[in-house]
Amino acid sequence: QKEVEQDPGPLSVPEGAIVSLNCTYSNSAFQYFMWYRQYSRKGPELLMYTYSSGNKEDGRFTAQVDKSSKYISLFIRDSQPSDSATYLCAMRPRETGGFKTIFGAGTRLFVKA
Amino acid sequence: ETGVTQTPRHLVMGMTNKKSLKCEQHLGHNAMYWYKQSAKKPLELMFVYNFKEQTENNSVPSRFSPECPNSSHLFLHLHTLQPEDSALYLCASSQDRLLVETQYFGPGTRLLVL
Repeated sequence: QKEVEQDPGPLSVPEGAIVSLNCTYSNSAFQYFMWYRQYSRKGPELLMYTYSSGNKEDGRFTAQVDKSSKYISLFIRDSQPSDSATYLCAMRPRETGGFKTIFGAGTRLFVKA
Repeated sequence: ETGVTQTPRHLVMGMTNKKSLKCEQHLGHNAMYWYKQSAKKPLELMFVYNFKEQTENNSVPSRFSPECPNSSHLFLHLHTLQPEDSALYLCASSQDRLLVETQYFGPGTRLLVL
C-alpha cells in the first residue's frame, strides 16, 4: 500500500462548480499537510498547508484535514478555467524535514468555460 | 517568477554523455532540493542541502552527482544515464530544511535520455 494515495483523474468540471480534491494516507505520524498546484511546463506552487487537523481557508480555496479518517481534501469554490492544473498533495511528520515529505501522484483538473 | 531558476529547460543526451543541470535561487534561502518527477508518479526527493551541506540522499544512483558550492546555487551532474532516467528534474529551495512547507520550486529541466 502506498503511503499517500491520490486519484489521478482527470477531473473535468464546468466553470463555477465546487471542486473537491482528496488524498488518503496510511502513516498516522503525518502532521503537516500541503497542497500544491502545478501548471503544465511549470514547477509545483504551494497553495496551502495545514498543521494537524482542521480547516484552513484562503480565498476560494479550503483545505480540510481529518486525521481520524487519514483523509485530506482541497475544495475550490467558483472554479475558473485558470484553475485547470495538476494538484499535488504532500505530507510529513512533525519532527522531520524535506526528506520525510511524501507526495501524492497528483490529480489533473480541467475547468471548462 | 518564483525566485528559483533552472537551466537548461530541456536537455537531450545519450547514455554516454556527461551533462550538468543548474539551479539558482534568489530568495536568500538556506536549503535546496533536487526532485525527480516522472509521468503519473509522485515527486521523488533526491537530495537535500542545508547551508551547503548535503543532509539527505535518498539512495540515488551514483550516476547522479549533486554539488552545492554556496546556498544560492545547486548543480546536478549527470553521467552514463539510462533511458528510465528521463523525467522532469525540479529544484526547490526553502528557508530551512525543516520548513519544507515554504518550498519554492523552479520550472524544472525536462530530460530525455536516448
